[in-house]
Amino acid sequence: DVKVTQSSRYLVKRTGEKVFLECVQDMDHENMFWYRQDPGLGLRLIYFSYDVKMKEKGDIPEGYSVSREKKERFSLILESASTNQTSMYLCASSFSYHNQPQHFGDGTRLSIL
Amino acid sequence: GQQVMQIPQYQHVQEGEDFTTYCNSSTTLSNIQWYKQRPGGHPVFLIQLVKSGEVKKQKRLTFQFGEAKKNSSLHITATQTTDVGTYFCAGSSGGGADGLTFGKGTHLIIQP
Repeated sequence: DVKVTQSSRYLVKRTGEKVFLECVQDMDHENMFWYRQDPGLGLRLIYFSYDVKMKEKGDIPEGYSVSREKKERFSLILESASTNQTSMYLCASSFSYHNQPQHFGDGTRLSIL
Repeated sequence: GQQVMQIPQYQHVQEGEDFTTYCNSSTTLSNIQWYKQRPGGHPVFLIQLVKSGEVKKQKRLTFQFGEAKKNSSLHITATQTTDVGTYFCAGSSGGGADGLTFGKGTHLIIQP
Protein backbone atom coordinates (compact mmCIF):
# COMPACT_ATOMS: atom_id res chain seq x y z
CA ASP A 1 0.00 0.00 0.00
CA VAL A 2 1.05 3.59 -0.62
CA LYS A 3 2.91 5.13 2.28
CA VAL A 4 4.07 8.68 2.97
CA THR A 5 5.64 9.03 6.39
CA GLN A 6 6.31 12.29 8.18
CA SER A 7 8.86 12.13 10.97
CA SER A 8 6.78 13.81 13.68
CA ARG A 9 3.07 14.17 14.31
CA TYR A 10 3.53 17.02 16.78
CA LEU A 11 6.50 19.34 17.21
CA VAL A 12 7.13 22.33 19.48
CA LYS A 13 10.04 24.68 18.77
CA ARG A 14 11.16 28.11 19.82
CA THR A 15 11.40 31.31 17.81
CA GLY A 16 14.70 31.55 15.96
CA GLU A 17 15.41 27.82 15.95
CA LYS A 18 16.27 25.97 12.77
CA VAL A 19 13.58 23.34 12.23
CA PHE A 20 13.69 20.25 10.03
CA LEU A 21 10.57 18.40 8.89
CA GLU A 22 11.23 15.09 7.24
CA CYS A 23 9.12 13.14 4.76
CA VAL A 24 9.75 9.72 3.28
CA GLN A 25 7.75 7.89 0.60
CA ASP A 26 8.06 4.27 -0.40
CA MET A 27 6.34 4.40 -3.79
CA ASP A 28 9.28 5.46 -5.98
CA HIS A 29 7.41 8.69 -6.84
CA GLU A 30 9.28 11.35 -8.77
CA ASN A 31 7.32 14.30 -7.37
CA MET A 32 7.21 15.41 -3.76
CA PHE A 33 5.44 18.40 -2.24
CA TRP A 34 5.24 20.39 0.96
CA TYR A 35 2.02 22.21 1.91
CA ARG A 36 0.89 24.10 4.94
CA GLN A 37 -2.72 23.99 6.02
CA ASP A 38 -4.33 26.78 8.03
CA PRO A 39 -7.99 27.27 8.99
CA GLY A 40 -9.83 29.22 6.34
CA LEU A 41 -6.86 29.17 3.96
CA GLY A 42 -6.90 25.57 2.78
CA LEU A 43 -3.70 23.93 1.52
CA ARG A 44 -0.98 26.21 0.25
CA LEU A 45 2.02 24.90 -1.65
CA ILE A 46 5.40 25.83 -0.17
CA TYR A 47 7.86 23.93 -2.38
CA PHE A 48 7.86 20.93 -4.64
CA SER A 49 10.48 18.73 -6.22
CA TYR A 50 10.25 16.71 -9.43
CA ASP A 51 13.59 14.96 -9.15
CA VAL A 52 16.52 14.43 -6.85
CA LYS A 53 18.30 17.72 -6.09
CA MET A 54 15.64 19.64 -8.02
CA LYS A 55 13.23 22.05 -6.36
CA GLU A 56 10.64 24.60 -7.38
CA LYS A 57 9.04 27.36 -5.35
CA GLY A 58 5.36 27.10 -4.67
CA ASP A 59 3.01 29.88 -3.66
CA ILE A 60 4.48 30.69 -0.23
CA PRO A 61 8.22 29.81 -0.15
CA GLU A 62 9.37 32.74 2.00
CA GLY A 63 11.03 31.62 5.21
CA TYR A 64 11.41 28.02 4.03
CA SER A 65 13.92 25.93 2.12
CA VAL A 66 13.93 22.28 1.04
CA SER A 67 16.35 19.48 0.41
CA ARG A 68 16.00 16.37 -1.73
CA GLU A 69 19.21 14.34 -1.65
CA LYS A 70 17.48 11.00 -2.26
CA LYS A 71 14.41 10.19 -4.31
CA GLU A 72 12.40 8.91 -1.37
CA ARG A 73 13.14 11.76 1.05
CA PHE A 74 12.06 15.41 0.98
CA SER A 75 12.93 17.73 3.84
CA LEU A 76 11.39 21.08 4.70
CA ILE A 77 13.63 23.51 6.59
CA LEU A 78 12.58 26.55 8.55
CA GLU A 79 15.82 28.54 8.67
CA SER A 80 14.79 30.71 11.62
CA ALA A 81 11.38 29.73 12.94
CA SER A 82 8.84 32.44 13.62
CA THR A 83 5.46 32.32 15.34
CA ASN A 84 3.61 32.87 12.05
CA GLN A 85 4.97 29.52 10.89
CA THR A 86 2.86 27.70 13.46
CA SER A 87 0.74 25.46 11.28
CA MET A 88 -0.08 21.95 10.05
CA TYR A 89 2.49 20.83 7.48
CA LEU A 90 1.57 18.16 4.96
CA CYS A 91 3.92 16.26 2.69
CA ALA A 92 2.68 14.58 -0.48
CA SER A 93 4.11 12.60 -3.37
CA SER A 94 3.02 11.52 -6.84
CA PHE A 95 4.22 10.03 -10.09
CA SER A 96 5.30 12.68 -12.54
CA TYR A 97 3.17 12.08 -15.61
CA HIS A 98 -0.45 12.99 -16.47
CA ASN A 99 -1.03 14.77 -13.17
CA GLN A 100 -1.22 11.65 -11.06
CA PRO A 101 -3.01 11.81 -7.70
CA GLN A 102 -1.06 13.04 -4.72
CA HIS A 103 -0.65 10.83 -1.67
CA PHE A 104 -0.41 12.65 1.62
CA GLY A 105 1.30 11.92 4.89
CA ASP A 106 -0.49 12.30 8.23
CA GLY A 107 0.91 15.80 8.74
CA THR A 108 3.10 17.50 11.34
CA ARG A 109 1.45 20.00 13.65
CA LEU A 110 4.22 22.50 14.35
CA SER A 111 3.98 25.06 17.13
CA ILE A 112 6.53 27.87 17.35
CA LEU A 113 6.65 29.51 20.76
CA GLY B 1 -1.26 33.09 -10.80
CA GLN B 2 -3.89 30.45 -11.00
CA GLN B 3 -6.69 30.73 -8.46
CA VAL B 4 -9.21 28.08 -7.52
CA MET B 5 -12.27 29.23 -5.65
CA GLN B 6 -14.56 26.84 -3.82
CA ILE B 7 -17.98 27.46 -2.32
CA PRO B 8 -19.55 27.21 0.12
CA GLN B 9 -16.96 27.27 2.89
CA TYR B 10 -19.30 25.46 5.28
CA GLN B 11 -22.43 23.41 4.66
CA HIS B 12 -24.72 22.08 7.36
CA VAL B 13 -27.16 19.40 6.25
CA GLN B 14 -29.52 16.98 7.90
CA GLU B 15 -28.57 13.37 7.44
CA GLY B 16 -30.24 12.12 4.27
CA GLU B 17 -30.20 15.49 2.52
CA ASP B 18 -28.14 16.16 -0.59
CA PHE B 19 -24.94 18.22 -0.67
CA THR B 20 -23.11 20.05 -3.43
CA THR B 21 -19.80 21.91 -3.49
CA TYR B 22 -18.66 24.06 -6.41
CA CYS B 23 -15.21 24.86 -7.69
CA ASN B 24 -14.22 27.65 -10.11
CA SER B 25 -10.85 28.38 -11.65
CA SER B 26 -9.54 31.67 -12.98
CA THR B 27 -7.83 29.77 -15.82
CA THR B 28 -8.61 26.79 -18.01
CA LEU B 29 -7.57 23.57 -16.32
CA SER B 30 -5.98 20.49 -17.84
CA ASN B 31 -7.57 18.39 -15.13
CA ILE B 32 -9.25 18.68 -11.77
CA GLN B 33 -8.92 16.40 -8.78
CA TRP B 34 -11.12 16.00 -5.72
CA TYR B 35 -9.90 15.08 -2.24
CA LYS B 36 -11.64 14.34 1.05
CA GLN B 37 -10.15 15.08 4.45
CA ARG B 38 -11.80 13.52 7.49
CA PRO B 39 -11.51 15.42 10.79
CA GLY B 40 -8.00 14.84 12.16
CA GLY B 41 -6.92 13.11 8.96
CA HIS B 42 -5.08 13.95 5.80
CA PRO B 43 -6.48 14.61 2.31
CA VAL B 44 -7.31 11.45 0.40
CA PHE B 45 -7.70 11.37 -3.36
CA LEU B 46 -11.22 10.69 -4.60
CA ILE B 47 -11.22 11.19 -8.36
CA GLN B 48 -9.71 13.00 -11.33
CA LEU B 49 -11.60 14.58 -14.25
CA VAL B 50 -9.81 15.35 -17.48
CA LYS B 51 -12.30 15.76 -20.33
CA SER B 52 -14.57 18.70 -21.02
CA GLY B 53 -18.09 17.97 -19.75
CA GLU B 54 -16.97 14.77 -18.03
CA VAL B 55 -19.25 13.20 -15.41
CA LYS B 56 -18.10 10.43 -13.08
CA LYS B 57 -19.94 8.63 -10.32
CA GLN B 58 -18.77 6.82 -7.21
CA LYS B 59 -21.80 5.32 -5.44
CA ARG B 60 -23.61 8.38 -4.01
CA LEU B 61 -20.99 10.87 -5.26
CA THR B 62 -21.27 12.56 -8.67
CA PHE B 63 -18.42 14.65 -10.06
CA GLN B 64 -18.72 17.00 -13.03
CA PHE B 65 -16.19 18.95 -15.07
CA GLY B 66 -17.50 21.98 -16.93
CA GLU B 67 -17.54 22.31 -20.70
CA ALA B 68 -15.01 25.13 -20.56
CA LYS B 69 -12.85 23.17 -18.10
CA LYS B 70 -12.93 26.06 -15.64
CA ASN B 71 -15.43 24.74 -13.14
CA SER B 72 -16.38 21.55 -11.40
CA SER B 73 -18.83 20.24 -8.85
CA LEU B 74 -19.21 17.40 -6.38
CA HIS B 75 -22.71 16.26 -5.46
CA ILE B 76 -23.49 13.79 -2.69
CA THR B 77 -26.94 12.19 -2.67
CA ALA B 78 -28.56 11.29 0.66
CA THR B 79 -25.68 12.18 2.94
CA GLN B 80 -24.57 9.84 5.70
CA THR B 81 -22.55 10.55 8.83
CA THR B 82 -19.53 8.94 7.17
CA ASP B 83 -19.53 11.78 4.61
CA VAL B 84 -18.45 14.28 7.26
CA GLY B 85 -15.22 16.07 6.38
CA THR B 86 -13.71 18.70 4.16
CA TYR B 87 -13.88 18.32 0.40
CA PHE B 88 -11.17 19.97 -1.67
CA CYS B 89 -10.96 20.51 -5.38
CA ALA B 90 -7.48 20.91 -6.87
CA GLY B 91 -6.67 22.06 -10.36
CA SER B 92 -3.70 22.04 -12.64
CA SER B 93 -3.10 24.02 -15.81
CA GLY B 94 -0.15 21.98 -16.99
CA GLY B 95 0.64 18.36 -17.73
CA GLY B 96 3.98 18.22 -16.03
CA ALA B 97 5.22 18.35 -12.47
CA ASP B 98 3.44 21.53 -11.43
CA GLY B 99 1.93 21.51 -8.01
CA LEU B 100 -1.83 21.48 -7.80
CA THR B 101 -3.69 24.61 -6.75
CA PHE B 102 -6.16 23.66 -4.07
CA GLY B 103 -9.44 25.36 -3.31
CA LYS B 104 -9.98 26.30 0.31
CA GLY B 105 -12.35 23.41 0.78
CA THR B 106 -15.97 22.93 1.83
CA HIS B 107 -16.56 21.66 5.35
CA LEU B 108 -19.54 19.31 5.38
CA ILE B 109 -21.28 19.07 8.75
CA ILE B 110 -24.07 16.53 9.10
CA GLN B 111 -26.71 16.76 11.76
CA PRO B 112 -28.32 13.43 12.62
